[in-house]
Amino acid sequence: SAVISQKPSRDICQRGTSLTIQCQVDSQVTMMFWYRQQPGQSLTLIATANQGSEATYESGFVIDKFPISRPNLTFSTLTVSNMSPEDSSIYLCSVGTGPYNEQFFGPGTRLTVL
Amino acid sequence: AQKVTQAQTEISVVEKEDVTLDCVYETRDTTYYLFWYKQPPSGELVFLIRRNSFDEQNEISGRYSWNFQKSTSSFNFTITASQVVDSAVYFCALSEPGSARQLTFGSGTQLTVLP
Repeated sequence: SAVISQKPSRDICQRGTSLTIQCQVDSQVTMMFWYRQQPGQSLTLIATANQGSEATYESGFVIDKFPISRPNLTFSTLTVSNMSPEDSSIYLCSVGTGPYNEQFFGPGTRLTVL
Repeated sequence: AQKVTQAQTEISVVEKEDVTLDCVYETRDTTYYLFWYKQPPSGELVFLIRRNSFDEQNEISGRYSWNFQKSTSSFNFTITASQVVDSAVYFCALSEPGSARQLTFGSGTQLTVLP
């Protein structure tokens, strides 16, 4: 398994601002994913972060709102732009490893937007 | 399209009781992978198990056991002699090889183990 860290672990932000979340892995991985977990809900995939190319976004998520960078095989960032209270969630990054896509998750970033 | 259903939203048991968490999945692929994750109050998702569609053997790991039945498209999770530390949200998930290796999660089951 991979060791994954996220920064910040939590934050309280004002409406209209942006927050960038960092995800660092202790080994090189091909597949990195960003998920959102709204309060009391399951996980929803935001996008797949591709190294060297643009992220692949899921239906309902757009690059202008959730820009993603993937500069190398161990690091990715997710920005939540122009935040509103509806963006209050846990944001988790994960990495896919092995032939069966076992995904391991970072500790998550708890975001509260006032 | 793939789908995972966890019909039990919340379960409450008393310590030392056995408890089974249900998971039913839908997929059109013949090859797929099933997973269980645990999310304690801290929020981190902890990987518990992966099962391949071509391996129907049940698995036991300590107090945890998993029953995979392709005939009923179910992948149920049993905790024997539950403990307070087992209190968490448990998610079942499905992945298909052809879908960019994405995970589809069920809605989760909140398990509370009372002392």
